Amino acid sequence: GEDVEQSLFLSVREGDSSVINCTYTDSSSTYLYWYKQEPGAGLQLLTYIFSNMDMKQDQRLTVLLNKKDKHLSLRIADTQTGDSAIYFCAEKSYGQNFVFGPGTRLSVLP
Amino acid sequence: KAGVTQTPRYLIKTRGQQVTLSCSPISGHRSVSWYQQTPGQGLQFLFEYFSETQRNKGNFPGRFSGRQFSNSRSEMNVSTLELGDSALYLCASSFRESSTDTQYFGPGTRLTVL
Repeated sequence: GEDVEQSLFLSVREGDSSVINCTYTDSSSTYLYWYKQEPGAGLQLLTYIFSNMDMKQDQRLTVLLNKKDKHLSLRIADTQTGDSAIYFCAEKSYGQNFVFGPGTRLSVLP
Repeated sequence: KAGVTQTPRYLIKTRGQQVTLSCSPISGHRSVSWYQQTPGQGLQFLFEYFSETQRNKGNFPGRFSGRQFSNSRSEMNVSTLELGDSALYLCASSFRESSTDTQYFGPGTRLTVL
């Protein structure tokens, strides 16, 4: 079945860039998503990218997609303490349900 | 536009009891999906409802059931609760079926089974 993998932890210094990586197995994935979850809260959609795109930028967020390697990354520029959260990568194909990765816990150090 | 709302936010039950969770989607959204989130298993899909019909079901026992009303509000029921049912239950809504549309999540209901 489909699988989505992420590294579990990432620590960065405030003001640096964060890069969170994700790999997926389903080559028919049509949509790829990044969600943010803060403590005690639900998931907040950050951004998504269609599989026919290579890059998408939205303010401090940049998503890069390498379809050949089935690798997705989320870059957060000028990381702030408020960015500390768990970030989930998710993929979805037509007619299929969402498949989520285990989440990457981002810690931003002052 | 108001977001997805879930009630109650917190719930404590004992083994063997049953529980009903409620989800109100974003106005105009017709699809509601339910997920279970636990530290060990992560986010797992429970089921999806679209226009009052269950469209997809995840790999959960029959103790987990749901329904959707004509106003798109959805309820999820868990009968004969087990300790392992302790989790954050998340609801997500989308305008179209989730496989063709972006989902927006509610804050979740944290269920603790003692």
